[in-house]
Amino acid sequence: GNSVTQMEGPVTLSEEAFLTINCTYTATGYPSLFWYVQYPGEGLQLLLKATKADDKGSNKGFEATYRKETTSFHLEKGSVQVSDSAVYFCALTPREGGSEKLVFGKGTKLTVNP
Amino acid sequence: KAGVTQTPRYLIKTRGQQVTLSCSPISGHRSVSWYQQTPGQGLQFLFEYFSETQRNKGNFPGRFSGRQFSNSRSEMNVSTLELGDSALYLCASSLGGVNTQYFGPGTRLTVL
Repeated sequence: GNSVTQMEGPVTLSEEAFLTINCTYTATGYPSLFWYVQYPGEGLQLLLKATKADDKGSNKGFEATYRKETTSFHLEKGSVQVSDSAVYFCALTPREGGSEKLVFGKGTKLTVNP
Repeated sequence: KAGVTQTPRYLIKTRGQQVTLSCSPISGHRSVSWYQQTPGQGLQFLFEYFSETQRNKGNFPGRFSGRQFSNSRSEMNVSTLELGDSALYLCASSLGGVNTQYFGPGTRLTVL
């Protein structure tokens, strides 16, 4: 089946610290991979995506590389800010039969302290 | 371009009642998906519609249903509400053809 496993946290960092949130996946096909972010009281916002092996998605200083050999899509940022405090979700689309159904991990809550 | 809108934003119902939630996709988007978010189960897929046809359905009981109209707007209905249906219901739209999904702010349903 299709599933996503990510470190659940919570993760607490000081401003300007390095961030890594691990994400691994299981998929029957060749999925597209995503990171979404959810700020308090809001819906999900797409942070970055990658559609094939070795693709690197990047946005707002965040990066993640699609690693087919390790079935991973770890999220990294070199220097976090207080405004990055949110819940981060790793997700995949199995791309089966044209469906865009997203399969999500449990989410990782990040708190950045000044 | 306006984003995905969902109405109402908040809803309080009692057990046994039914509820209808509405989602208006981004202009030009033909695909709409629905997700349920709860603290215990996380984000779970409910349904997916494309050009008024249900393309995929998640593992939810038949009390959960949905539809999509010719203008791509979508509604989901939950009948005979249970306490466990309390959740944030998120709608997402895309162009279709495995493109990026854009999420609305959600409808917070509380069942008493």
